[in-house]
Amino acid sequence: NAGVTQTPKFRVLKTGQSMTLLCAQDMNHEYMYWYRQDPGMGLRLIHYSVGEGTTAKGEVPDGYNVSRLKKQNFLLGLESAAPSQTSVYFCASSYSRVGNYGYTFGSGTRLTVV
Amino acid sequence: DQQVKQNSPSLSVQEGRISILNCDYTNSMFDYFLWYKKYPAEGPTFLISISSIKDKNEDGRFTVFLNKSAKHLSLHIVPSQPGDSAVYFCAASARENTGNQFYFGTGTSLTVIP
Repeated sequence: NAGVTQTPKFRVLKTGQSMTLLCAQDMNHEYMYWYRQDPGMGLRLIHYSVGEGTTAKGEVPDGYNVSRLKKQNFLLGLESAAPSQTSVYFCASSYSRVGNYGYTFGSGTRLTVV
Repeated sequence: DQQVKQNSPSLSVQEGRISILNCDYTNSMFDYFLWYKKYPAEGPTFLISISSIKDKNEDGRFTVFLNKSAKHLSLHIVPSQPGDSAVYFCAASARENTGNQFYFGTGTSLTVIP
């Protein structure tokens, strides 16, 4: 049981380049999230999805887009990367609010924009 | 503005002693709280939770206390073990958050000294 898998684990981008981060979960979770972790800032929510075909903005959505075409996958896109997007990105998933057992996180993607 | 705060970036404790990690929040609508543990190069893992209808929840060596009037929660680890050395995040959610979004603190790095 893999849980939540993120690819790639590391990436270096040049300013202005684009990329997509992939998150896959095999727990049949309805809800999925993208967070970024920065020193002194904790984890901040970028976008989230409450089901296949749905997406919503979190605390820091600017510069990112997301898609949830399949229930098990949640993609995070950077159309034109900026140095301010250098961060560690975590994907997470959870059941619906009923029960509220918290998230299962992936192991992260470390992105550097130069 | 940070809705969940962990004012101690780091904490060192001798093995066998009690570790107390603190967390404050500002949003009175928060009604569910989680603690996560994070090792380097890994994603956060769920540790313990507490609902606002309780003021204490215990799981083995870990106990979380909630003081709603002070908007404060704490995590007690007794006895502390070297394997507990990690970064601990508290997180909070409100029932009105239809997407089950959690807001995270900035984390406290715990070092347990053998």
